[in-house]
Amino acid sequence: EVQLVQSGPEVKKPGESLKISCKGSGYSFTHYWVAWVRQMPGKGLEWMGIIYPDDSDTRYSPSFQGHVTMSADMSITTAYLQWSSLKASDTAMYFCARPSSGHSASYDLWGQGTLVTVSS
Amino acid sequence: DIQLTQSPSTLSASVGDRVTLTCRASQSISNWLAWYQQKPGKAPKLLIYKASNLENGVPSRFSGSGSGTEFTLTISSLQPDDFATYYCQEYDSYSSFGQGTKLEIK
Repeated sequence: EVQLVQSGPEVKKPGESLKISCKGSGYSFTHYWVAWVRQMPGKGLEWMGIIYPDDSDTRYSPSFQGHVTMSADMSITTAYLQWSSLKASDTAMYFCARPSSGHSASYDLWGQGTLVTVSS
Repeated sequence: DIQLTQSPSTLSASVGDRVTLTCRASQSISNWLAWYQQKPGKAPKLLIYKASNLENGVPSRFSGSGSGTEFTLTISSLQPDDFATYYCQEYDSYSSFGQGTKLEIK
């Protein structure tokens, strides 16, 4: 089955670090980009950036550049999104998604989402 | 950056109604536009890609049209399962999303 499976919910304190994951299976993981999308509570979808697992070519939205880091490990077909110092405003659901071809395409495959809660 | 503006923000309708949602881009994006349906607590689901192409498995009551800066998603006869939030997405550059239209039961 073609799928993206994300890591479980996280509860963190401000200032802590975090790395969430998105594991692809059932398709050639290294040959598809992986995008990350944020959804804050009760709000819309925000495009964060995208990574190509084969060579780790990465593009960030200006809104997220410098605040998060995207990475990938081809050997375990997993993409990651990480923070070095969380803020309360990072509380959100985070989705990974796969463009159908190239980096500019519709997203035909989505992970189930990882809920990140940052609270003191 | 390309901005997408969806209208209306909320739409109240009844089962069986025909509804049209609009998405306007701040600059021309040709036909590089997709539509998604999202239900609470779930990931978005792709409905339409390249402005007017129906994704496999999506009911034919959904249709998309437009090019350049003006796009529409039409649901020809609303079903109970269609009440959800709908987002447009441009992928002319990398990507961005509209703010969403919530379709609620009248």
